[in-house]
Amino acid sequence: KNEVEQSPQNLTAQEGEFITINCSYSVGISALHWLQQHPGGGIVSLFMLSSGKKKHGRLIATINIQEKHSSLHITASHPRDSAVYICAVRFTGNQFYFGTGTSLTVIP
Amino acid sequence: SAVISQKPSRDICQRGTSLTIQCQVDSQVTMMFWYRQQPGQSLTLIATANQGSEATYESGFVIDKFPISRPNLTFSTLTVSNMSPEDSSIYLCSVERSTKFDEQYFGPGTRLTVT
Repeated sequence: KNEVEQSPQNLTAQEGEFITINCSYSVGISALHWLQQHPGGGIVSLFMLSSGKKKHGRLIATINIQEKHSSLHITASHPRDSAVYICAVRFTGNQFYFGTGTSLTVIP
Repeated sequence: SAVISQKPSRDICQRGTSLTIQCQVDSQVTMMFWYRQQPGQSLTLIATANQGSEATYESGFVIDKFPISRPNLTFSTLTVSNMSPEDSSIYLCSVERSTKFDEQYFGPGTRLTVT
């Protein structure tokens, strides 16, 4: 069974805090995406990972293929980072499977 | 990258009516997908829009309820037919520009409320 689990479901942080969001999946994958969804509903793709680590500005994404686990880190968090962060994985075949999302609120 | 626009961005509709959502991409893409995100839920794939042929629907979704068109490589429509309050969701268009799995892009979404 293909499963994607995210934690935590909800997260509140003070501005400037270091934030970590976790994603675990059940079987081998070909790709993992981290997505950001703002309150209006629009989705932006932040990272695509198949191995290792990627960094873009204050965002860092890592993946451990053996442990079937990925993390999204936000350094020096800011209120504009407030959004829902979604982990999406592609198992065999074309279809993506999505986690239920982590709702992040960063308080000034 | 691929820039995707959706129309409308949001709508409030009455029960029993239908709404057609448009997805326009700024470049030709191989695959176009339609997703639904019900309140508090994750995204669920409705169907793959195939250019020049009938869409491929996922389990639980049928053509009579969600007819899809894809007349060319840059445009697709999703119709939500005979709406009920349970259809209140965000509907997202997603495209894949090539066979490379890292070239998947998402539209801004259409927020639908059915009263």
